[in-house]
Amino acid sequence: EVQLLEAGGGLVHPGGSLRLSCAASGFTFTSYGMSWVRQAPGKGLEWVSTISGGGYTYYADSVKGRFTFSRDNSKTTLYLQMDSLGAEDTAVYFCAKAFGNSYGYWDYWGLGTLVTVSS
Amino acid sequence: QSALTQPASVSGSPGQSITISCTGTSSDVGGYNYVSWYQQHPGKAPKLMIYDVSNRPSGVSNRFSGSKSGNTASLTISGLQAEDEAHYYCNSYTTSTTWVFGGGTKLTVL
Repeated sequence: EVQLLEAGGGLVHPGGSLRLSCAASGFTFTSYGMSWVRQAPGKGLEWVSTISGGGYTYYADSVKGRFTFSRDNSKTTLYLQMDSLGAEDTAVYFCAKAFGNSYGYWDYWGLGTLVTVSS
Repeated sequence: QSALTQPASVSGSPGQSITISCTGTSSDVGGYNYVSWYQQHPGKAPKLMIYDVSNRPSGVSNRFSGSKSGNTASLTISGLQAEDEAHYYCNSYTTSTTWVFGGGTKLTVL
C-alpha cells in the first residue's frame, strides 16, 4: 500500500525557514517523480515543485530561488527546504506521487502538513 | 504561470449531466494534451479523475469524461450522484516545464 507521510509544518515568522519532509513507502521510490502541491486556507491547489527519479527539479516561479526540493533515495524520503518565507506561503503542503511515467499527474497524495507564516 | 480559468461553481440535479470548463492559453492547455482533472472533497487530498485530456485511471467511474477544444478543456460528469459534490480542479503542463492548476470549481448536487 502506497503511503506518503508529510512532516515539518508549523508556525514560522516572515523571512524564516522551514524544512518539510515526506516519508514514502509501498512503491519503488526511485522509479517515480514526486511533487509538492500546496493549498492556502480556503483556496485552490497550487503546484510548487517536482523532482524526477534521478533528482532533476522543477519549480513554480512563485518559489524559485527560495525553495529547494531534494530526495534521499536510501531513506525513501523527500525534503522541501523553504527559505525567505512570506505570508503568501501559508498553506497545507501535500506531497504527491507521479502517476505512471509522467511527472504532472499524481495518483497518491499525503494528508498534508500545514505551514503558517505569521509574526 | 497564471492559473487556468474555471467557473467558480456549477450545479445539477441527481441524474443530470454537468460540464466544467477550464480555459488556458496556447502555452498550456492549447499546446499540449497533458490536461488532468482532480476531485477534492472537504478536508481530503485530491483524487486524479482524468489524465491526458480524456483518459480515466483504473477505478474511476465512466460517468467522468474529459475533452479539449483549442485552449479550453472540459470535464463532463453524467448521471450526477450526491457523492460527486466536491471541488474540481484542472491542471495542465506548460511550455515553461511547469504545471498550472485552475482556480477550482465547486460542484453542488441539488
